[in-house]
Amino acid sequence: QLQLQESGPGLVRPSESLSLTCTVSGGSIRPNPYYWAWIRQSPGRGLEWIGTISYNGHTFYNPSLESRLTISVDTSKNQFSLRLSSVTAADTAVFYCVRLNTVIRGNDYWGQGTLVTVSS
Amino acid sequence: SYELTQPPSVSVSPGQTANIACSGHTLDNKYASWYQQKPGQSPVLVMSQNDNRPSGIPKRFSGSRSGDTATLTISGTQSMDEADYYCQAWDIDSGVFGGGTKLTVL
Repeated sequence: QLQLQESGPGLVRPSESLSLTCTVSGGSIRPNPYYWAWIRQSPGRGLEWIGTISYNGHTFYNPSLESRLTISVDTSKNQFSLRLSSVTAADTAVFYCVRLNTVIRGNDYWGQGTLVTVSS
Repeated sequence: SYELTQPPSVSVSPGQTANIACSGHTLDNKYASWYQQKPGQSPVLVMSQNDNRPSGIPKRFSGSRSGDTATLTISGTQSMDEADYYCQAWDIDSGVFGGGTKLTVL
């Protein structure tokens, strides 16, 4: 059974960078037809797609976050990562790492989510 | 930027049919997927490619699309179906979510 697990600091200072890693277990991050994505949910709000990466590093970013966003992949560790710079309180959210199945065009596996709070 | 619109809330009596709509410009040439999220839990994919139900999802869940509106239908709604539901579609290279619909079973 595929599992995804987010890890990273739960508290980040304003203006600093937020970094999270997703570890994929029970399967390889390599093969098509899967892409890997980050999705966030601000407290009491809806879901927001952040960005997606293929195993060979091809990325798609949310245009509203693109200037601050880097998503990378490390196939040797079966991980992919998120870095969001210059964070503000508006970036406080639960961050989910997700598998995008391009055959069914749906996010079919989700991590449990990790809350990141931006506060001084 | 591309937008998907959902009603904020839908109410249904147990055993009745719930319809949750998702509308967006040119949605008729995109695929919509649907996610169910219960409080404190991660979302779960309940419908993909407009009308493809993943394995493990009860048959009372179905999907359709007509023009620029995709619809998630829950037939014989049960109390366990009470949750937030989100649609998602891809516009070029961006994955856009609707604002979500809170389904209340009362």
